[in-house]
Amino acid sequence: EPEVTQTPSHQVTQMGQEVILRCVPISNHLYFYWYRQILGQKVEFLVSFYNNEISEKSEIFDDQFSVERPDGSNFTLKIRSTKLEDSAMYFCASSTSGSLSEQYFGPGTRLTVT
Amino acid sequence: QQQVKQSPQSLIVQKGGISIINCAYENTAFDYFPWYQQFPGKGPALLIAIRPDVSEKKEGRFTISFNKSAKQFSLHIMDSQPGDSATYFCAAMGNAGNNRKLIWGLGTSLAVNP
Repeated sequence: EPEVTQTPSHQVTQMGQEVILRCVPISNHLYFYWYRQILGQKVEFLVSFYNNEISEKSEIFDDQFSVERPDGSNFTLKIRSTKLEDSAMYFCASSTSGSLSEQYFGPGTRLTVT
Repeated sequence: QQQVKQSPQSLIVQKGGISIINCAYENTAFDYFPWYQQFPGKGPALLIAIRPDVSEKKEGRFTISFNKSAKQFSLHIMDSQPGDSATYFCAAMGNAGNNRKLIWGLGTSLAVNP
């Protein structure tokens, strides 16, 4: 069964450093998402991406964040200058047709900012 | 208006019992209501979802009940098993404007005792 994959599974970085979280969505999906989950809290929407551009973003997704689909398979989230409060699980998700279809989640990347 | 309120925060059920988790929303533009199951260290996995044109959807031991007028929906797990022990999230999503993203409840930690 096709699945969303994410790398790395765990990333430790120092405050102020840049990190890139990588995702490979399901191959025939067209919509891509990033969510984050701070430990013990609810899942929060960050951004959605379709047709090589951002379609929605939350207030959390400020200028330190960016997303990119550098090739036909990868979908990346870059955090330019990490802060302690960016420590969280980051989940990538994909779907076939936006709001009309289910989103499938990857296993997540645990980001720890020290 | 964007909130989804979920209760209870935690739930302990005996094997064979019925687990019931409730969610309420305010935004009448929401038209897709999924439930996700999350095991420790894993990403959320879609369990079952409903749209407001039906009042109930059943898949195996899992049933969603939906009350459009009350803006409430619930997950029932029949014959609960220890393997059902996980965190369950309800979510809601619309199909237009800034509603095209999953808004999540806070989660319910379910423990099924053998």
